[in-house]
Amino acid sequence: EADIYQTPRYLVIGTGKKITLECSQTMGHDKMYWYQQDPGMELHLIHYSYGVNSTEKGDLSSESTVSRIRTEHFPLTLESARPSHTSQYLCASSYTGTLEAFFGQGTRLTVV
Amino acid sequence: AQSVSQHNHHVILSEAASLELGCNYSYGGTVNLFWYVQYPGQHLQLLLKYFSGDPLVKGIKGFEAEFIKSKFSFNLRKPSVQWSDTAEYFCAVKVEADKLIFGTGTRLQVFP
Repeated sequence: EADIYQTPRYLVIGTGKKITLECSQTMGHDKMYWYQQDPGMELHLIHYSYGVNSTEKGDLSSESTVSRIRTEHFPLTLESARPSHTSQYLCASSYTGTLEAFFGQGTRLTVV
Repeated sequence: AQSVSQHNHHVILSEAASLELGCNYSYGGTVNLFWYVQYPGQHLQLLLKYFSGDPLVKGIKGFEAEFIKSKFSFNLRKPSVQWSDTAEYFCAVKVEADKLIFGTGTRLQVFP
């Protein structure tokens, strides 16, 4: 059973608001990831982290930002939400040297 | 370019039918391949993985996949599906920096 948690599960918010999507894992994994998934489309990597104070942008350009101050926590922030940010955001973690990534349940974001 | 193609977007089967979901990848490095499953309302879970050795990989719940290097394929199979197999299935390849590249997913519906 994966111990990776995302909150909130669902969020509907107005344009221009600042939002933070939370992701926490209790497995001590060093690597963490954020993926964006639109309906019927593949998951796209938008951010990843190798460890504390390490963040990198992924393959899909995103206006969001991330931080990794603690090993277990990898929040994603949108300073000013827009309808184009409406999507599902999936957080994942893995341990260097293993091949398996564990996923959270996702946050479905709707910006109106 | 690194990519994963899943040719079946939506598959509908009756219980006890056999299943094969296609997956082709494009990546020039060491190949690590995965199938993930997402049951309705749940998080992505690892179904099976290939990283070396026997190209026929067995996973959970009676699923298996065969890595065919010459065809750049990693097709998922199950001899007899059940209603509980209704889910979305994602093929993925691990590339540099432990990033996962996903296919667009295949929605499987199994009717009793």
